[in-house]
Amino acid sequence: RKEVEQDPGPFNVPEGATVAFNCTYSNSASQSFFWYRQDCRKEPKLLMSVYSSGNEDGRFTAQLNRASQYISLLIRDSKLSDSATYLCAVNANSGYALNFGKGTSLLVTP
Amino acid sequence: SAVISQKPSRDICQRGTSLTIQCQVDSQVTMMFWYRQQPGQSLTLIATANQGSEATYESGFVIDKFPISRPNLTFSTLTVSNMSPEDSSIYLCSAWTGANEQFFGPGTRLTVL
Repeated sequence: RKEVEQDPGPFNVPEGATVAFNCTYSNSASQSFFWYRQDCRKEPKLLMSVYSSGNEDGRFTAQLNRASQYISLLIRDSKLSDSATYLCAVNANSGYALNFGKGTSLLVTP
Repeated sequence: SAVISQKPSRDICQRGTSLTIQCQVDSQVTMMFWYRQQPGQSLTLIATANQGSEATYESGFVIDKFPISRPNLTFSTLTVSNMSPEDSSIYLCSAWTGANEQFFGPGTRLTVL
């Protein structure tokens, strides 16, 4: 089983739609969880950390379910500029290095 | 946040040669890492660059192939040795800040012919 798994998509949604991505992780000792955004031919950029109680940043909401070992990202009121690949990352072996999922591709259309 | 630069941004190399990639952070950081992202794949951790001691390599990566230096808290290098076409990839440096966040450099796009 891979350390971090994501549905690769692509998710094609119209502008204004709400879209949700899930990510599962296998290491129950993991303590740090993140969502990154990666545009084509660019480096990953940190979108948000994921906290145990869930957290929101504008149109983006992240949640963690430790019992089921998954994290989620909800994007409300999608914009064309949200089109990108969204990578889930979980710390490896209780350290600072990260294991990444393969990413979920999102395309927001007019 | 940390601002990270990498050199070169891209290179095309002949098989059997070696390339050294430099990573510079604009502030002192405790942890620096090197990742690889092959076409259509996610990021794979190569190693943790330890300041003042040997790097810690992940399974499948060895020091002879990917020697790493970290002479201080703001700089690291990764060498890809004796390259083959399978080493064609994007190599990314990252730094872990004190705010429990990890930032990435822009990457080095390597093509091995």
